[in-house]
Amino acid sequence: AQSVSQHNHHVILSEAASLELGCNYSYGGTVNLFWYVQYPGQHLQLLLKYFSGDPLVKGIKGFEAEFIKSKFSFNLRKPSVQWSDTAEYFCAVNPSGAGSYQLTFGKGTKLSVIP
Amino acid sequence: DTGVSQDPRHKITKRGQNVTFRCDPISEHNRLYWYRQTLGQGPEFLTYFQNEAQLEKSRLLSDRFSAERPKGSFSTLEIQRTEQGDSAMYLCASSSSGTGGVETQYFGPGTRLLVL
Repeated sequence: AQSVSQHNHHVILSEAASLELGCNYSYGGTVNLFWYVQYPGQHLQLLLKYFSGDPLVKGIKGFEAEFIKSKFSFNLRKPSVQWSDTAEYFCAVNPSGAGSYQLTFGKGTKLSVIP
Repeated sequence: DTGVSQDPRHKITKRGQNVTFRCDPISEHNRLYWYRQTLGQGPEFLTYFQNEAQLEKSRLLSDRFSAERPKGSFSTLEIQRTEQGDSAMYLCASSSSGTGGVETQYFGPGTRLLVL
């Protein structure tokens, strides 16, 4: 079975600081990878996803993530955060081509951006 | 698309009572998922439907839990004889197969259950 680790529980940054949130997964085969965001009072929304091709994936709102297969990592980055990026961020994985569509999520990282 | 909707948004019940939640997926999405999220955790998969067929069930889905999607559209999740450990946010998501690439699951706002 697959698992996902998000190392940072709570990250506090000032506006304009750069962001990198860590995500590592454990699975023996090929995977699809996702980052979801949950803004305060809102439902989970997809930020970006990776399934094949260029390991550097660009998503909405200036976010990007890089898949490093050798490290089983899919870290989320943004060069300059804004107060509106305050939210909880979840990394998720599902096995590719295995006929299973369930997502396995990490515990999430809460990001607080100070104006 | 109006998005995934869930009803009710909040439910408070006493231990031992039965509760039922409803999920309406994005129209024409043939796949529907139920997840549970507790405080400080990410969502955990419970079960998944393709059209009306329930194809996957997690070990988290005890015998007290039952889910249906009778006409391949909306779905219900029932919890019988609720326990305090059932208190959580219950999330529904839907997706469409055949869209190419990897499917995106779209989540609803969730139903927050509190068992007293």
